[in-house]
Amino acid sequence: GENVEQHPSTLSVQEGDSAVIKCTYSDSASNYFPWYKQELGKGPQLIIDIRSNVGEKKDQRIAVTLNKTAKHFSLHITETQPEDSAVYFCAAPGNNAGNMLTFGGGTRLMVKP
Amino acid sequence: GAGVSQSPRYKVAKRGQDVALRCDPISGHVSLFWYQQALGQGPEFLTYFQNEAQLDKSGLPSDRFFAERPEGSVSTLKIQRTQQEDSAVYLCASSSPRARGGATQYFGPGTRLLVL
Repeated sequence: GENVEQHPSTLSVQEGDSAVIKCTYSDSASNYFPWYKQELGKGPQLIIDIRSNVGEKKDQRIAVTLNKTAKHFSLHITETQPEDSAVYFCAAPGNNAGNMLTFGGGTRLMVKP
Repeated sequence: GAGVSQSPRYKVAKRGQDVALRCDPISGHVSLFWYQQALGQGPEFLTYFQNEAQLDKSGLPSDRFFAERPEGSVSTLKIQRTQQEDSAVYLCASSSPRARGGATQYFGPGTRLLVL
């Protein structure tokens, strides 16, 4: 099955700085890579996703890059704000008909004002 | 529109007690997933439905766990004879299939289960 590794596990940045979170996956059949943000006491919320036919996708301050050859993808947050503080998860589906997701271990992002 | 809802939001059970967790998916979503999230970890897959058919239950940790979705909408995850190691947040997600895969999964707020 799919194996997803995520780094770093914690990340502290100053407000206004950029944050980068990296994930690697094992199953070359994976073709969809979502990123979720989870705040305390809430369920994961999709913030951006990328499919294997593109290498980069941007949405305002958030961008995701994908390198299928190396089997890794990254989340980039620019101009961080205190409200970006949360736990972020990457995920990949692997090769399964139902597209259930395998998640990374999460990154706790802390943005200091 | 309404998102995925789950109830109860919190459940405290005594060891050995049976519990039932409910998920209301987004209306019209064919696929429904249950995940278990231990403290400080990412969600882990439990089981998957397409309409009323349970197509994959490979993630259920033991035969004490049972899920159903009899009419293809609301789903219930039941845990019999709860154990302390069952304490976790149980997340439900739903999606509408894409022809080429990679359908977005929308998550509910989760049910936080504590077994004493």
